[in-house]
Amino acid sequence: NAGVTQTPKFRVLKTGQSMTLLCAQDMNHEYMYWYRQDPGMGLRLIHYSVGEGTTAKGEVPDGYNVSRLKKQNFLLGLESAAPSQTSVYFCASSYSRGGVYNEQFFGPGTRLTVL
Amino acid sequence: TQLLEQSPQFLSIQEGENLTVYCNSSSVFSSLQWYRQEPGEGPVLLVTVVTGGEVKKLKRLTFQFGDARKDSSLHITAAQPGDTGLYLCAGDNQAGTALIFGKGTTLSVSS
Repeated sequence: NAGVTQTPKFRVLKTGQSMTLLCAQDMNHEYMYWYRQDPGMGLRLIHYSVGEGTTAKGEVPDGYNVSRLKKQNFLLGLESAAPSQTSVYFCASSYSRGGVYNEQFFGPGTRLTVL
Repeated sequence: TQLLEQSPQFLSIQEGENLTVYCNSSSVFSSLQWYRQEPGEGPVLLVTVVTGGEVKKLKRLTFQFGDARKDSSLHITAAQPGDTGLYLCAGDNQAGTALIFGKGTTLSVSS
């Protein structure tokens, strides 16, 4: 099993450009998440999904959109990239969303730089 | 607002030393998780603690959940260079929809 995979691993954008980050999981998990990680800020939740066709806002959703058209995929879109979106982006998935069974499995991350 | 505060933020020690990392909050959590993140990789779950006062051991790592379920600690005995990484604690948000993460403790163990 590959677990959680993310593409691309690295990307450099110019301000105003758009891009989509792809996350795929092969564990049949219902719940999927997108985080950003910045120095000194820890992991902050951008958007999450509790099942195919559903999405919800997290702590820092502005400037991002998401889609969950298939259970195994969770896409994160930046419509007009800004330098403040320079960060490392992590996707995660989990079997449940509470209690002892909400272990989150993380992908390897995408390092995005916006110039 | 639920917050998880971790201390210390950075820790640099020699191989063989013992250390303790803390995760504190003013909120009660149903459970807390500890993750370790190595450079260039995503976090990986180490343990979940559920019961107040619970102690779990994972080889040289000992995890404790506070009696009031507001805090947790991670103690490493005889640290090794392989323990180097970012240690994150996490707990369910009030809505039970997602995890809240602390900012992490960066541990560096030199030989």
